[in-house]
Amino acid sequence: DAKTTQPPSMDCAEGRAANLPCNHSTISGNEYVYWYRQIHSQGPQYIIHGLKNNETNEMASLIITEDRKSSTLILPHATLRDTAVYYCIVRLAIIQGAQKLVFGQGTRLTINP
Amino acid sequence: KAGVTQTPRYLIKTRGQQVTLSCSPISGHRSVSWYQQTPGQGLQFLFEYFSETQRNKGNFPGRFSGRQFSNSRSEMNVSTLELGDSALYLCASSVTGGNGNTIYFGEGSWLTVV
Repeated sequence: DAKTTQPPSMDCAEGRAANLPCNHSTISGNEYVYWYRQIHSQGPQYIIHGLKNNETNEMASLIITEDRKSSTLILPHATLRDTAVYYCIVRLAIIQGAQKLVFGQGTRLTINP
Repeated sequence: KAGVTQTPRYLIKTRGQQVTLSCSPISGHRSVSWYQQTPGQGLQFLFEYFSETQRNKGNFPGRFSGRQFSNSRSEMNVSTLELGDSALYLCASSVTGGNGNTIYFGEGSWLTVV
C-alpha cells in the first residue's frame, strides 16, 4: 500500500506558485521521496526526488521537513500545461536495488487562467 | 538521448487471446519495470527485471509474465486475455534500480480487450 497521503485535488491560478503537500509520516531513514506527474493518457513524468535536503531543478522545488514526515512540491510559476495528477511516492526498499514505486491516488492539480 | 520506448502504442485484442508488449529502456539503463494503470485500481506494479533476472513481482496472476534480454530490452506477455486486462501498460527504466536512481517512464501501450 502507498505510504503517502495527498489531497485529492487542488486549484491554482496561472502564474502563481503551486504548493502540493504530501504526508509520509512512516518514512524510514533510507527512503527517498519522489514526485511524478501524469497528464491524461501519457506516462508519468519524473519531476524531482530527495532524501533529506531540499532540492531544486528546472521544473520544481522539493521541501522536506526536518523530521522527514512531510514534504511540499513547489511549482514556482504555474502554467496551464502544469494541469495534471501529481504523485508523491516514497521509494520502497524491500529488496536492495529493486525498483518498485507504489502509487497512491495523487493530487489532481488544476491551473486556472 | 532517447527516452523509454514502448510498442505498440495502441492495440485491440479479443478475450482469450494473448498479447506481447515491448519496451526499450533508455540507453545504459539495466533495470526495467512494468506497471498497469486502470481507472479503478490506479497504477500498480507488475514486475521488475535487472540483468535478465526478475527481482520483484507484484500481485498479479500468472497470466502476466515478462522477460528481459541481454540488451536490457524487455517484453511482457499477457495470456488468456480478460476484459479486465484492458489498461494502460507502462514500462519504466533506471540505471540499476537502486534507491536514489531516477526512474523514467515510457508513454505506455494502450490495450483494449473486447
